[in-house]
Amino acid sequence: SQQGEEDPQALSIQEGENATMNCSYKTSINNLQWYRQNSGRGLVHLILIRSNEREKHSGRLRVTLDTSKKSSSLLITASRAADTASYFCATEVVQGAQKLVFGQGTRLTINP
Amino acid sequence: KAGVTQTPRYLIKTRGQQVTLSCSPISGHRSVSWYQQTPGQGLQFLFEYFSETQRNKGNFPGRFSGRQFSNSRSEMNVSTLELGDSALYLCASSLASAAFYEQYFGPGTRLTVT
Repeated sequence: SQQGEEDPQALSIQEGENATMNCSYKTSINNLQWYRQNSGRGLVHLILIRSNEREKHSGRLRVTLDTSKKSSSLLITASRAADTASYFCATEVVQGAQKLVFGQGTRLTINP
Repeated sequence: KAGVTQTPRYLIKTRGQQVTLSCSPISGHRSVSWYQQTPGQGLQFLFEYFSETQRNKGNFPGRFSGRQFSNSRSEMNVSTLELGDSALYLCASSLASAAFYEQYFGPGTRLTVT
């Protein structure tokens, strides 16, 4: 099973609205990363948040991390059509050596 | 700085054949990771190389292998192709461990096995 699981699986909102995606994970982590993928293309790194951080901002993006609940959220404010993409959280899993494990992703659609 | 490049971008192979995919990381990056992405299984970790050594491996059969050269360029090979190997194969590079540093992804190689 995946270390990180995003919720919801799909989200459709109007342009200008805010979009919130959640990620839950199972084991303790050192950091959590969020990535965006436009249809059929490579992933783009958005934010890396470390376990001792609670919140991080980057432009219209805000990521929170709650290690007690083993969850993270990604908030996109004032959404634009260009934000239409799949969003993935990624956490590291220690199996011999650390490796990055991605969730199934949230498919975000911004309607004009 | 040039991004991560992957060649070829598209590939069509027949069952039983083998294939080699190539990845050139960002200059200065020593870690290269490979992922397989399919609609059903999502993004799955294949392996990570660091300084020419395989640091970690995902749960894939031995038909999937890789290597990294002294200039950090990496190749992955899939032998005896099966229909289920049809996927987007993504390569990503990072400064060091992929688990602790942001990864930069290439555009991927879309492999179709017929």
